[in-house]
Amino acid sequence: NAGVTQTPKFQVLKTGQSMTLQCAQDMNHNSMYWYRQDPGMGLRLIYYSASEGTTDKGEVPNGYNVSRLNKREFSLRLESAAPSQTSVYFCASSPTQGRGQPQHFGDGTRLSIL
Amino acid sequence: AQSVTQLGSHVSVSEGALVLLRCNYSSSVPPYLFWYVQYPNQGLQLLLKYTTGATLVKGINGFEAEFKKSETSFHLTKPSAHMSDAAEYFCAVSPLSGSARQLTFGSGTQLTVLP
Repeated sequence: NAGVTQTPKFQVLKTGQSMTLQCAQDMNHNSMYWYRQDPGMGLRLIYYSASEGTTDKGEVPNGYNVSRLNKREFSLRLESAAPSQTSVYFCASSPTQGRGQPQHFGDGTRLSIL
Repeated sequence: AQSVTQLGSHVSVSEGALVLLRCNYSSSVPPYLFWYVQYPNQGLQLLLKYTTGATLVKGINGFEAEFKKSETSFHLTKPSAHMSDAAEYFCAVSPLSGSARQLTFGSGTQLTVLP
């Protein structure tokens, strides 16, 4: 099925470990996004990529890095995981950034940091 | 900076009753407006959006929302709730122009439908 695919779906890490969350979309979208979802706080933007070859910080970028590997793939890396990064992470894509275009979301990665 | 307020983190309605989920935005210029739904252990799905034109917007699953500029609101309604509507609902906005054109989400409203 067409859409946004995130891997893994679940992960448990120890404090200080590193990890990369993978995201791929097959809708030929130019823009991709990473969010974190915490109870009572909605979704907060971590990083986004308006187009292939560009990345920019969102609202909560500290402790994360991203790579736009190609037009399809956008990965999120935690270099040294901290308990405060326990969250559900969502990847999304849209044809372009803004202009009223809706974003399409993956099913999320549930990450626990012990 | 734009912001979104969803009044009521939890709303309960009886099956068959009216659903009303409230959303107000804060922006000097009316933005693009969206409602998303999230079912358990899933990502967000677009319910409906307002960009320009008619202020009453119809979406999927019988939901609709009305953009009221004077009230800076975009409330979501459905005339008759169904058990399958139980989910979390998010209102979101994005500006019409400017360099920062990302979505800003409200904190969400959990809808419970009682039998």
